Amino acid sequence: KQEVTQIPAALSVPEGENLVLNCSFTDSAIYNLQWFRQDPGKGLTSLLLIQSSQREQTSGRLNASLDKSSGRSTLYIAASQPGDSATYLCAVRLIFGQGTELSVKP
Amino acid sequence: DTAVSQTPKYLVTQMGNDKSIKCEQNLGHDTMYWYKQDSKKFLKIMFSYNNKELIINETVPNRFSPKSPDKAHLNLHINSLELGDSAVYFCASSLSGQNEKLFFGSGTQLSVL
Repeated sequence: KQEVTQIPAALSVPEGENLVLNCSFTDSAIYNLQWFRQDPGKGLTSLLLIQSSQREQTSGRLNASLDKSSGRSTLYIAASQPGDSATYLCAVRLIFGQGTELSVKP
Repeated sequence: DTAVSQTPKYLVTQMGNDKSIKCEQNLGHDTMYWYKQDSKKFLKIMFSYNNKELIINETVPNRFSPKSPDKAHLNLHINSLELGDSAVYFCASSLSGQNEKLFFGSGTQLSVL
């Protein structure tokens, strides 16, 4: 059964820093991988979706990569801002990781 | 226009009561889901319907009964509510055969007293 793990569970960085969030999965027979953002008390906002045939996707300051063979995905956030503070979740075929709670300090 | 909408947003009720949460999507998707997010913020899938047919039914007490009257709606009825049912319930939808991108509603916070 697919298991999805996200490391670290929490991350605090100063504004302007580049950072990487990690997502690993146990079953490499995936269809796609999706990264979400969740603000406190809110729903999930889709950030990026990488299909299994793709290696990466970019949207603004966000870049997500996918390495199926190693069962890993990373979400790279460039020049972080306080507004990026939220919980970031990855999902592989409907299974979610526990999330990384990001805090960007001004 | 809200793509995936859930009602109510908040639901406070006593133990033993029966309650329903409604979900509607206007994206033309054919697959809908219910997720439960516990106090530790972990999201776990409960049910999935495709074209009104149940296709995923995780280990969920049979007090929980989903109903899909049509492709655009998926409701969740909960009987004999227990304290442990307190959580945020999210509805989501996707289009099968495509990249199956998930779209989420804003959630229903259920508090059982």
